[in-house]
Amino acid sequence: DIVMTQAPLSVSVTPGESASISCRSSKSLLHSNGITYVYWYLQKPGKSPQLLIYRMSNLASGVPDRFSGSGSETDFTLKISRVEAEDVGIYYCGQLLENPLTFGSGTKLEIK
Amino acid sequence: EVQLVESGGGLVQPGRSLKLSCLASGFTFSNYGMNWIRQAPGKGLEWVASISSSSSYIYYADTVKGRFTISRDNAKNTLYLQMTSLRSEDTALYYCARLTTEGMRYWGQGVMVTVSS
Repeated sequence: DIVMTQAPLSVSVTPGESASISCRSSKSLLHSNGITYVYWYLQKPGKSPQLLIYRMSNLASGVPDRFSGSGSETDFTLKISRVEAEDVGIYYCGQLLENPLTFGSGTKLEIK
Repeated sequence: EVQLVESGGGLVQPGRSLKLSCLASGFTFSNYGMNWIRQAPGKGLEWVASISSSSSYIYYADTVKGRFTISRDNAKNTLYLQMTSLRSEDTALYYCARLTTEGMRYWGQGVMVTVSS
């Protein structure tokens, strides 16, 4: 199984500042078709997860462009620029390269 | 508007069975693969099972293989999860989610399953 390891466990950010969350996979998520099958989700308190980034760097529809994704074959970063109060929640990375589909353990973002 | 509405959860004793449903609307259900994802109280996301659009491909997490069955009825726009031999560790909020290579863009609100005597 592909293990997704996130860091840090939690991050506290001042509004207007930036935050970065890391995710590492135990296997390359780069497919031979050139697509990297890593995704980022945000679960706001009491809500269902919502898709932020797909295929490593593509912004999902309706997601503010303050969010961006980048990375290589096994190391990935979600960056949130100009953090706002509405960004609080738990961020998960996940992979769709192969079954079983797996997620990271989550990174909790709090506002200072 | 895409909507996924889960139902069928509740309190069940260990060893018993329960069947979850997910009613889809706002899109052509028969064109999309679907997932069940669960979240134990205070824990992270755990993928449970996937089914392709025509039910040709089905996959399970090892933790539920042999006990859970995912299925769908495209005529009824409904996804199912038949759960048998339930254990306390199956206690979780169960989400259905639409699956494409663009990720799980749509999720239901979740349905709670509690396994306890």
